[in-house]
Amino acid sequence: DAGVTQSPTHLIKTRGQQVTLRCSPKSGHDTVSWYQQALGQGPQFIFQYYEEEERQRGNFPDRFSGHQFPNYSSELNVNALLLGDSALYLCASSLGPKNTGELFFGEGSRLTVL
Amino acid sequence: QQQVKQSPQSLIVQKGGISIINCAYENTAFDYFPWYQQFPGKGPALLIAIRPDVSEKKEGRFTISFNKSAKQFSLHIMDSQPGDSATYFCAANSGNTPLVFGKGTRLSVIA
Repeated sequence: DAGVTQSPTHLIKTRGQQVTLRCSPKSGHDTVSWYQQALGQGPQFIFQYYEEEERQRGNFPDRFSGHQFPNYSSELNVNALLLGDSALYLCASSLGPKNTGELFFGEGSRLTVL
Repeated sequence: QQQVKQSPQSLIVQKGGISIINCAYENTAFDYFPWYQQFPGKGPALLIAIRPDVSEKKEGRFTISFNKSAKQFSLHIMDSQPGDSATYFCAANSGNTPLVFGKGTRLSVIA
């Protein structure tokens, strides 16, 4: 049973660039949430996708956008990168649109912005 | 506004000892309180969770104690082992709100 897979695992960008991170949910799951985890901090909710629509959004600027595909996989896009965007970006999957505290996380994509 | 406050930030426990991590929450609408465990280079993984209709839940060496009136809950790890060394996050949510996490506790279990 495949768990949540994310790519790439590591990447380095410079300020002002754009980045796209990808996520495949756990088999059987249809909801994807994205979290940002800064070094030494807890994960912070960015947004959640269900049925190809953004259902909820955390306190993140519009530079952060996403997409969900018919096969439930998802992308996170960040434009105009800032140094402060350096973090581990975690994708989590779950079943159904209702918020559940039982999330299955991938290993994350570590983004470094120089 | 931090909705879930976690303490301590770090914890060192002798092998075989009891590890205790505490959390306090603000939103009385929260109805699900999980603990996640994260090893270096890995994503968080659900360890144990509780709902406010019970005051305690035990799974193996891990126990959650819940105090609804005080809006606090804690994780107890009995007979702590070096393999328990990880970062632990408390979290909370409701049907209308996504999961919010505490800042984490780095646990080191030393032999």
